[in-house]
Amino acid sequence: DGGITQSPKYLFRKEGQNVTLSCEQNLNHDAMYWYRQDPGQGLRLIYYSQIVNDFQKGDIAEGYSVSREKKESFPLTVTSAQKNPTAFYLCASTRDISNYGYTFGSGTRLTVV
Amino acid sequence: GQQVMQIPQYQHVQEGEDFTTYCNSSTTLSNIQWYKQRPGGHPVFLIQLVKSGEVKKQKRLTFQFGEAKKNSSLHITATQTTDVGTYFCKVGGSQGNLIFGKGTKLSVKP
Repeated sequence: DGGITQSPKYLFRKEGQNVTLSCEQNLNHDAMYWYRQDPGQGLRLIYYSQIVNDFQKGDIAEGYSVSREKKESFPLTVTSAQKNPTAFYLCASTRDISNYGYTFGSGTRLTVV
Repeated sequence: GQQVMQIPQYQHVQEGEDFTTYCNSSTTLSNIQWYKQRPGGHPVFLIQLVKSGEVKKQKRLTFQFGEAKKNSSLHITATQTTDVGTYFCKVGGSQGNLIFGKGTKLSVKP
């Protein structure tokens, strides 16, 4: 079955460390997204990519970086510059932003220890 | 800039009661999507509305797009415990302006 796989499910980071969250999809979707969700909050867009080798900043890109070297993969790096990284991170993809909904991965819960 | 307000923020109902959440935009929308996120889970796409005044149904769920395409509602008839979760709207626009509402968290007392 096609879908989006995020790993790991839980991640613990020490202060000052960079960590990378994986997002892989086999849906043949062009567009991919990273969202951050804090408790009781909505989803805030970090980065998005419409095609390979191209990506754009979302509303809260500071302290994060991404790459899109392959259509299937859109990893997110949470850098030490992100001062409050503890959150639930969701990756999503869609075939067509105008006509189709997003498919979400099951998320990664990142905690700073 | 474009703003989306979703109300109410929380709703507690007795099983069997109806539930409605509203999504209101400050600007005219090209489309609106609704998602459901179960506790501890990830958002799941429910439906997309595109046309002015459009009404779509999925079993006990009724989705409506306002005539002016600035608001939408999701109504659940006779809630069940399986309806528990947070319901989000997402409004369309240019790629960088796709916005999720903050969601309505529904709890259902058996």
